[in-house]
Amino acid sequence: DAGVIQSPRHEVTEMGQEVTLRCKPISGHDYLFWYRQTMMRGLELLIYFNNNVPIDDSGMPEDRFSAKMPNASFSTLKIQPSEPRDSAVYFCASRAGDRYGYTFGSGTRLTVV
Amino acid sequence: RKEVEQDPGPFNVPEGATVAFNCTYSNSASQSFFWYRQDCRKEPKLLMSVYSSGNEDGRFTAQLNRASQYISLLIRDSKLSDSATYLCVVSYSASKIIFGSGTRLSIRP
Repeated sequence: DAGVIQSPRHEVTEMGQEVTLRCKPISGHDYLFWYRQTMMRGLELLIYFNNNVPIDDSGMPEDRFSAKMPNASFSTLKIQPSEPRDSAVYFCASRAGDRYGYTFGSGTRLTVV
Repeated sequence: RKEVEQDPGPFNVPEGATVAFNCTYSNSASQSFFWYRQDCRKEPKLLMSVYSSGNEDGRFTAQLNRASQYISLLIRDSKLSDSATYLCVVSYSASKIIFGSGTRLSIRP
């Protein structure tokens, strides 16, 4: 099993540009989560999906953030327009039911200049 | 009060020492408990689940005290490679998972 796959690993972009982060969860996992991690705020849950359906997006900071999961094997997190305060590591994680822990992807380190 | 609280550390201990971390949680409806390890600039990785009866995995022992609402992690015979941040994780449901802010551990030669 290849685990949770995220791309890109690193992204440097200019303020105002659109950024798209991608995630492929582990096959068979029915929950997918997007997290953001910074030194100041730790791990913050942005949004999660169950069976491809967005369930709770209350952690999405602003309308500039959007996420989709068109099928069971792919999800995107988009920031448009990006701002310097969006700089963070964005993790995708998947989970199979409620008895098991998350498996995280390697993360995307986003820098907005 | 945070839902999950950990001592941020850092804990700085010599190689071979025994070190213990505690983590408290506020919601008595919590169902599942985990310890994760996160290395610098890496993703969090599941270290072990925590079961009601306590469980052991090699040098690592995890315990749960539901009455006092805390979990603990004990590392025996610590190795240099144990240096990392240890995250306490409490789950109320498949989707409601709360991460502690982490305890930094540094093992010195």
